[in-house]
Amino acid sequence: SAVISQKPSRDICQRGTSLTIQCQVDSQVTMMFWYRQQPGQSLTLIATANQGSEATYESGFVIDKFPISRPNLTFSTLTVSNMSPEDSSIYLCRAALANTEAFFGQGTRLTVV
Amino acid sequence: GENVEQHPSTLSVQEGDSAVIKCTYSDSASNYFPWYKQELGKGPQLIIDIRSNVGEKKDQRIAVTLNKTAKHFSLHITETQPEDSAVYFCAASNERGGGNKLTFGTGTQLKVEL
Repeated sequence: SAVISQKPSRDICQRGTSLTIQCQVDSQVTMMFWYRQQPGQSLTLIATANQGSEATYESGFVIDKFPISRPNLTFSTLTVSNMSPEDSSIYLCRAALANTEAFFGQGTRLTVV
Repeated sequence: GENVEQHPSTLSVQEGDSAVIKCTYSDSASNYFPWYKQELGKGPQLIIDIRSNVGEKKDQRIAVTLNKTAKHFSLHITETQPEDSAVYFCAASNERGGGNKLTFGTGTQLKVEL
């Protein structure tokens, strides 16, 4: 299994600003994903973070709003840009080793005021 | 794409009773079905999973059953305890293992009452 550290664990941000969330894994992983979980809702995939190339975004999510980096096999960041109150959610990273189950970070609870 | 429905949305049981959560999926190519438990303020934790080549899997008080013909799978928790109280999510994917894009159900809030 892999240990995933995600930070910050929570933040309160002003509208119009941006927040970068970091996800660090203690071992090299093949795939990393970013999810959004709105209050009381299920998990929605934002994008797959690809090492060394642009992330693959799901329908309804765009790079300008959610830029993602993955400079190596153990680290990824998600930025929530130009935030509005509708962006208030829990953001989760998920990391997968080859042919094994993936694990979630503990999540970042974002409140935009 | 895959669509996963989950029922019930809330479930309240007495300590010691059994709890059953059911999910249906739409993509017949799906072959991996994990269940996650999410406690307040934490990320989802995998509790059990099943692949399409088996119909049932058990791990102590937790079991999962899969009916590929009907495209539904269920989570069974026996002898429930207060610490089982959490939100449970089912998920489905058409690729083996963790390097896949899971489609999640809408979640079930389980409350185990003393």
